[in-house]
Amino acid sequence: QVQLQESGPGLVKPSETLSLTCSVSSYSISTGYYWGWIRQPPGKGLEWIGSIYYSGTTHYNPSLRSRVTISVDTSRNQFSLNLRSVTAADTAVYSCARVLCTSNSCCAEYWGQGTLVTVSS
Amino acid sequence: QSVLTQPPSVSGAPGQRVTISCTGSTSNIGAGYDVHWYQQVPGTAPKLLIYGNTNRPSGVPDRFSGSKSGSSASLGISGLQAEDEADYFCQSYDTSLSNWVFGGGTKLTVL
Repeated sequence: QVQLQESGPGLVKPSETLSLTCSVSSYSISTGYYWGWIRQPPGKGLEWIGSIYYSGTTHYNPSLRSRVTISVDTSRNQFSLNLRSVTAADTAVYSCARVLCTSNSCCAEYWGQGTLVTVSS
Repeated sequence: QSVLTQPPSVSGAPGQRVTISCTGSTSNIGAGYDVHWYQQVPGTAPKLLIYGNTNRPSGVPDRFSGSKSGSSASLGISGLQAEDEADYFCQSYDTSLSNWVFGGGTKLTVL
């Protein structure tokens, strides 16, 4: 079964860049599928941040597009999230996922356990 | 305010059947986009329960079922068990937002 694990700082200062990496095991990213990031602020609902295909094709949430970059490193079987100019509103549990697409929509098939990132000085 | 509307909570006794609704609009579910459902036990990562409106991933019991009609979708859970107590989220795609969107979540309590 595919396993995903997020890693990165749990505390980021306002205006700085949030950087997370997702390590994938038991499946080679370069085989296929989209790979995505989803976040959940404490006590709130889920928000799709964006996704990337192994070839590098990306889709970003339009509301975050100006601040987000998702990249993939097939040699390390990892993909990463960079979110720039963060504020307290970006405090959330960030999860990586393997994305499964049906004929017209996509969902998160396998999830990492999630990592809490707090934005605070 | 979530784009997809779910009831905040539902409850049922062990063995009973409950349904959780997910109401959208003509820019998402009503536009024909598939609906997916997740189960999240507090403190753990969400688990995909239903994809493509009605399909169950391998390992998901057939007590869980999904349906879709018009601008709404429903998750049905039959033979309620204590382990089903969790939060449930629906998800689809929205053309106005050009992004995948989630419902606000429904807390299921097994009485």
